Amino acid sequence: AQTVTQSQPEMSVQEAETVTLSCTYDTSESDYYLFWYKQPPSRQMILVIRQEAYKQQNATENRFSVNFQKAAKSFSLKISDSQLGDAAMYFCAYRRRGSQGNLIFGKGTKLSVKP
Amino acid sequence: KAGVTQTPRYLIKTRGQQVTLSCSPISGHRSVSWYQQTPGQGLQFLFEYFSETQRNKGNFPGRFSGRQFSNSRSEMNVSTLELGDSALYLCASSPGGSGGAGPTETQYFGPGTRLLVL
Repeated sequence: AQTVTQSQPEMSVQEAETVTLSCTYDTSESDYYLFWYKQPPSRQMILVIRQEAYKQQNATENRFSVNFQKAAKSFSLKISDSQLGDAAMYFCAYRRRGSQGNLIFGKGTKLSVKP
Repeated sequence: KAGVTQTPRYLIKTRGQQVTLSCSPISGHRSVSWYQQTPGQGLQFLFEYFSETQRNKGNFPGRFSGRQFSNSRSEMNVSTLELGDSALYLCASSPGGSGGAGPTETQYFGPGTRLLVL
């Protein structure tokens, strides 16, 4: 069975600094998708960034970028120029290609941003 | 486009009762997935519907069921509620099709329904 592990339950970053959230996953599949979702306190979960496993190039969305290491089954999220609004729970998620629905989530990392 | 909407936002029920939660997907999205979020177990997949058919199901007891209507709106039902069913229930929609494959299969989440079972 596929699993997703986020080893950092909590992290803290100074405003305007850079922080990296870790995620590892376990799968025997070769074709899949990886996602980072952000869930602010008492607010809706929103997609931060997506990576297709067949793409070697790391995905980037403005201040958010990933370091995707397929062989190591690692998918870390880097947030540059951190802002107060980045404070949230961050979930790493995996979905096998062809699997309907069925996102497999990590336990999440709570990110605090200090002014 | 309007986002995913879920009703009600909050519910309080007692053990043994049943509950129905509703989800309206983003316009044009045909796939709806449901997830349960608890502090202990995290986010767990319940089931996914596409064109009124359940295509995938997670590891939950039969007390948890769902359905999808022709307009893609979906409901989930939990019968004989237990204390452990207290959770945030999240609905997510995606365009669907392509057998669940393709980069367009990103799921977009609603705000959730917070269920408290007393």
